[in-house]
Amino acid sequence: AQSVTQLGSHVSVSEGALVLLRCNYSSSVPPYLFWYVQYPNQGLQLLLKYTSAATLVKGINGFEAEFKKSETSFHLTKPSAHMSDAAEYFCAVSDREGSQGNLIFGKGTKLSVKP
Amino acid sequence: DVKVTQSSRYLVKRTGEKVFLECVQDMDHENMFWYRQDPGLGLRLIYFSYDVKMKEKGDIPEGYSVSREKKERFSLILESASTNQTSMYLCASRLEPGQGFREQYFGPGTRLTVT
Repeated sequence: AQSVTQLGSHVSVSEGALVLLRCNYSSSVPPYLFWYVQYPNQGLQLLLKYTSAATLVKGINGFEAEFKKSETSFHLTKPSAHMSDAAEYFCAVSDREGSQGNLIFGKGTKLSVKP
Repeated sequence: DVKVTQSSRYLVKRTGEKVFLECVQDMDHENMFWYRQDPGLGLRLIYFSYDVKMKEKGDIPEGYSVSREKKERFSLILESASTNQTSMYLCASRLEPGQGFREQYFGPGTRLTVT
């Protein structure tokens, strides 16, 4: 069965500092991987996705993530945090082979950005 | 641009009431989903539908039912609302679970309070 673990339910960084949000997955088959962002009182918005084309994936708002098969990780990074990045971030995995391909979500990491 | 709309942003209902949450997508997507989101638990799948008049149980279907009479509309029904169904409800849609199309597009959410 697939699963996703996000390390750290809360992460706090200073404006301009590196953002690193951790995601580890478990999957018996090559996965699709996703990062979503949720701003307060809004739905989820797709940040980026990994579908095997390239291990380093660039997304919106300056975020990127690297797929590391050996570490079963898909960590999200941004070189310099903005106040507007304060939100909750969700990592998700999907079964590449299964006919349903539903998403399994992590429990989320809330990012705070200090001025 | 994919648009997923939900009938209400905030809803307050009484225990025992029948509650309808409506979701509409405008991109001719085959698949639609209902999740509930609770702090510390992430997103949990309630029901999903691959096509009109089709439905499948997700991880937590108890106390809920769904209806999909038209391709663009997916309704979540709480037959007899209870206080433990107080939550944020998110609807999502997806084109099809084929190669590269597993990402889901989310509505803004309905925050339901049952008193």
